Amino acid sequence: SYELTQSPSVSVSPGQTARITCSGDALPKKYAYWYQQRSGQAPVLVIYEDSKRPSGIPERFSASSSGTMATLTISGAQVEDEADYYCYSTDRSGKGVFGGGTKLTVL
Amino acid sequence: QVQLVESGGGVVQPGRSLRLSCAASGFTFNSHGMHWVRQGPGKGLEWVAVIWYDGSNQYYTDSVKGRFTISRDNSKNTLYLQMNSLRAEDTAVYYCAREGVADQLPNAFDLWGQGTMVTVSS
Repeated sequence: SYELTQSPSVSVSPGQTARITCSGDALPKKYAYWYQQRSGQAPVLVIYEDSKRPSGIPERFSASSSGTMATLTISGAQVEDEADYYCYSTDRSGKGVFGGGTKLTVL
Repeated sequence: QVQLVESGGGVVQPGRSLRLSCAASGFTFNSHGMHWVRQGPGKGLEWVAVIWYDGSNQYYTDSVKGRFTISRDNSKNTLYLQMNSLRAEDTAVYYCAREGVADQLPNAFDLWGQGTMVTVSS
């Protein structure tokens, strides 16, 4: 079955840039989406269609996708950005798949 | 207001069945594809199933195919997940999520419910 691979954890100090990666064989042909999940809360969409930011999401959140790798970048990470981040995409049959998640620590 | 509210979770024995519901309000339900996503205790998000806006197509993750059925009643603005032959590994918080439409966050999960907990245990 199709898999998206994320590194388990990333740690930065406040104000630094955090980069979270997601790799998957179908990413050259399928969009990546990124979700933020704070502890005890439902996920929130932060990036759609590889690099588009929904309204209400701070400009410090950006993303890109190249080849089999998608990257979420948080420029000038804030303490409130501490959360789990999940990439999401679909396989060639249209079934959804999430990456394993990356725990972002900002301290 | 615009929201999704799940219900129907609880404790159930292995092998038994449970039906989850997701009540939608504040938006045109029959314009959106709908998904179920689950999260086991201390684990990551797992996509479970999708149903198209008109109910014409459904897709499932391999681990639930043949046991779970996603359906919807557009007249009642409600999404369902019928779960049969439940296993311990189905224990999770189950979220329903709305899929965005072509001109608004296409194919993204742009609205989530608060989740309902399903525990499969003897």
